[in-house]
Amino acid sequence: DSGVTQTPKHLITATGQRVTLRCSPRSGDLSVYWYQQSLDQGLQFLIQYYNGEERAKGNILERFSAQQFPDLHSELNLSSLELGDSALYFCASSVSWRDEQFFGPGTRLTVL
Amino acid sequence: DQQVKQNSPSLSVQEGRISILNCDYTNSMFDYFLWYKKYPAEGPTFLISISSIKDKNEDGRFTVFLNKSAKHLSLHIVPSQPGDSAVYFCAANDRGGNQGGKLIFGQGTELSVKP
Repeated sequence: DSGVTQTPKHLITATGQRVTLRCSPRSGDLSVYWYQQSLDQGLQFLIQYYNGEERAKGNILERFSAQQFPDLHSELNLSSLELGDSALYFCASSVSWRDEQFFGPGTRLTVL
Repeated sequence: DQQVKQNSPSLSVQEGRISILNCDYTNSMFDYFLWYKKYPAEGPTFLISISSIKDKNEDGRFTVFLNKSAKHLSLHIVPSQPGDSAVYFCAANDRGGNQGGKLIFGQGTELSVKP
């Protein structure tokens, strides 16, 4: 158990819908990261927050957005969902961006 | 442009022997490298890391070697155990850049340790 929690574990929804994935970092970690793992793309970095501020951005689609709240938990919002958005979404956390990242168990999103 | 490559999709090793997993990178700005282990339906688990100022880091049965001139790193597991069977990912980070937290992952190597 890494100490990073993610909810929900599974999510099944339809194209065009919007979903919110939630992540709680390890106690004491200020950085939160979101990654997407799809079959053909491997683990891809989406976005990072540090103490409430956006710190780094990967190839995150405009339909996706994220935020980190004052209690340091983070949410990833995915809208206008497409079939290709079906993937595992992982959250990770670390003390700072210079430290090793610890991953949560992931949310499996299925878009039908 | 795949900046981190794991060229072997799979590796099979006998229990008790050494497992060597390899990783190559292209970006000379990477200064921090990590190995993760992943079981199906679980998140990646951090194993070991190495900074670019070192060429070796050891933690129990796991040792990571870094060859900066060759832009190559490897993970040695000695002795290998059946519980080590999983997918192993190497990852790299340019901590000094403005994308300091971004990890670039290889495609993974599936290790199978036979009893």
